[in-house]
Amino acid sequence: DTEVTQTPKHLVMGMTNKKSLKCEQHMGHRAMYWYKQKAKKPPELMFVYSYEKLSINESVPSRFSPECPNSSLLNLHLHALQPEDSALYLCASSQTGEGYGYTFGSGTRLTVV
Amino acid sequence: DQQVKQNSPSLSVQEGRISILNCDYTNSMFDYFLWYKKYPAEGPTFLISISSIKDKNEDGRFTVFLNKSAKHLSLHIVPSQPGDSAVYFCAASRYGGSQGNLIFGKGTKLSVKP
Repeated sequence: DTEVTQTPKHLVMGMTNKKSLKCEQHMGHRAMYWYKQKAKKPPELMFVYSYEKLSINESVPSRFSPECPNSSLLNLHLHALQPEDSALYLCASSQTGEGYGYTFGSGTRLTVV
Repeated sequence: DQQVKQNSPSLSVQEGRISILNCDYTNSMFDYFLWYKKYPAEGPTFLISISSIKDKNEDGRFTVFLNKSAKHLSLHIVPSQPGDSAVYFCAASRYGGSQGNLIFGKGTKLSVKP
């Protein structure tokens, strides 16, 4: 298995809703990431998990809450989002250490109404 | 301030010819560079990478060249195929990419015409 699987592919949520994005990989990668990509913009890093511990939080608002239950799963819990949070949310994974490419999932297209 | 720049938003090339995608960076601390390809509605797909200790890395039809003094890298695709049509992102990182913070350029949309 050489893929990163993200669910759901599309999500529409109201500003008062609570939802979660899920990411799964079975490549044995011990580093996992959340990126956010707005239209016609490059992906921007949100969070990094290394060995199931949060190692980088790029000053992301608390309405985004990451969780790494085990080495294969990464969640992003969403609460009280704003319409400007609408974007493509990408999960990626990699081996730890230097010189490894990242494998990205197909993303979740999130629309906040 | 953009640390990774792809100044050409789009590039059109004839099938069979060479495609050259360019990328410039400003942070001299970057030591690891990657190219990704992205189709609509899909996540970026890793293509090729290069460490700052090298000036060239080749993988099949794809070659990446790094000019550290000019802070410039380029991706060559030879020969170009219609299936190569996609958005190509250049990305850079410190510590060999081990810290997770890939900085992406804005992308170049490549169109390969039959």
